[in-house]
Amino acid sequence: AQKITQTQPGMFVQEKEAVTLDCTYDTSDQSYGLFWYKQPSSGEMIFLIYQGSYDEQNATEGRYSLNFQKARKSANLVISASQLGDSAMYFCAMVYSSASKIIFGSGTRLSIRP
Amino acid sequence: DVKVTQSSRYLVKRTGEKVFLECVQDMDHENMFWYRQDPGLGLRLIYFSYDVKMKEKGDIPEGYSVSREKKERFSLILESASTNQTSMYLCASSFPRQVLRTSSTDTQYFGPGTRLTVL
Repeated sequence: AQKITQTQPGMFVQEKEAVTLDCTYDTSDQSYGLFWYKQPSSGEMIFLIYQGSYDEQNATEGRYSLNFQKARKSANLVISASQLGDSAMYFCAMVYSSASKIIFGSGTRLSIRP
Repeated sequence: DVKVTQSSRYLVKRTGEKVFLECVQDMDHENMFWYRQDPGLGLRLIYFSYDVKMKEKGDIPEGYSVSREKKERFSLILESASTNQTSMYLCASSFPRQVLRTSSTDTQYFGPGTRLTVL
């Protein structure tokens, strides 16, 4: 069965520190994609970063990078130099080749302390 | 930039009313999706559509129907609203998958959400 697991319900981080949000996944498909979304208190889901299962390099987008470890089935999000505006819920998600729909993890609430 | 809009940010309805939630995207995406989000339950897929007049049930379609008469518009309909349908509703869209492999075109782009309260 396809599954996404986020084990950190909440995290507190000091401003300007780097933060790692954990995500593990399970799928039997060889082709799959992993996403991270940010959801501020306003409610909108904002796409941050994508990693394909065949991508050899870890994805990066500005201050966001995805630490993809295929053998361990993990896809952690790393935010460098955190800012107050990074406070939000973060969702890890996966799409797999046998379906077009995305499945989401339960989310991690990140709070940045000034 | 991809733009997905939803007709209302906040909506209050009474039990038994027929409710329409509208979603419009301007990126010429074939795929459109409706989710509901509840505390502790995460995002759950209600319905999705791969093309005009096409629809597929998601994980929790009971109590909902959808309509896709135009490519850019996907409507979620609550035929007779009930209090257990009080929730955050999120619409999303994406390109179709051209080949059997997943790719970044599978990325779904979301609207701002509609917080629906049924009294």
